[in-house]
Amino acid sequence: GAVVSQHPSRVICKSGTSVKIECRSLDFQATTMFWYRQFPKKSLMLMATSNEGSKATYEQGVEKDKFLINHASLTLSTLTVTSAHPEDSSFYICSARFGGSSSYNEQFFGPGTRLTVL
Amino acid sequence: LAKTTQPISMDSYEGQEVNITCSHNNIATNDYITWYQQFPSQGPRFIIQGYKTKVTNEVASLFIPADRKSSTLSLPRVSLSDTAVYYCLVGDYTGRRALTFGSGTRLQVQP
Repeated sequence: GAVVSQHPSRVICKSGTSVKIECRSLDFQATTMFWYRQFPKKSLMLMATSNEGSKATYEQGVEKDKFLINHASLTLSTLTVTSAHPEDSSFYICSARFGGSSSYNEQFFGPGTRLTVL
Repeated sequence: LAKTTQPISMDSYEGQEVNITCSHNNIATNDYITWYQQFPSQGPRFIIQGYKTKVTNEVASLFIPADRKSSTLSLPRVSLSDTAVYYCLVGDYTGRRALTFGSGTRLQVQP
């Protein structure tokens, strides 16, 4: 299957700093990428939908000025957590949808990034 | 978006067949049913997807009745490594919308 990578896999930062997380589709072009957040023992919660070349669409309750998303190419989307606070500590997961016509709806998920804000 | 309901947790023993049922009463005509597996601190992994009747691959089978209001994931002869959370998702054919994750089913396989 298609591969989606994330970098870094884990990051620890001080409160008030900004952290950038990269999501790459390694062997296919992804016109759409999704960003999820997952707290311990909870399900994945969709944060935003990222479309290549256009502004991201954020879910209700997600601050777009705090979680900056850039999808500058068909293989890369970035999520920047600005002025991070301890409550932003979470597991961030991206997924990518194959860009061409597909016989079924499969999204490929990255391995996740563990963010810890001290 | 169609909402899904699954059991919160299930227990099984190695070598047994495990069936996890998911209900999705409001499934739309264009919706497919997809199951993902997630281990701790990893991203979800695709298991199987189907639209109706039965789908089988090398790791699981998916049974979907004619009304499509529910589906059952069947894992044959589970092992300890199958201990994970299993999510049933319903999404549109085009995949242009994000998948909505429910609570999932936490499967614990005992030796």
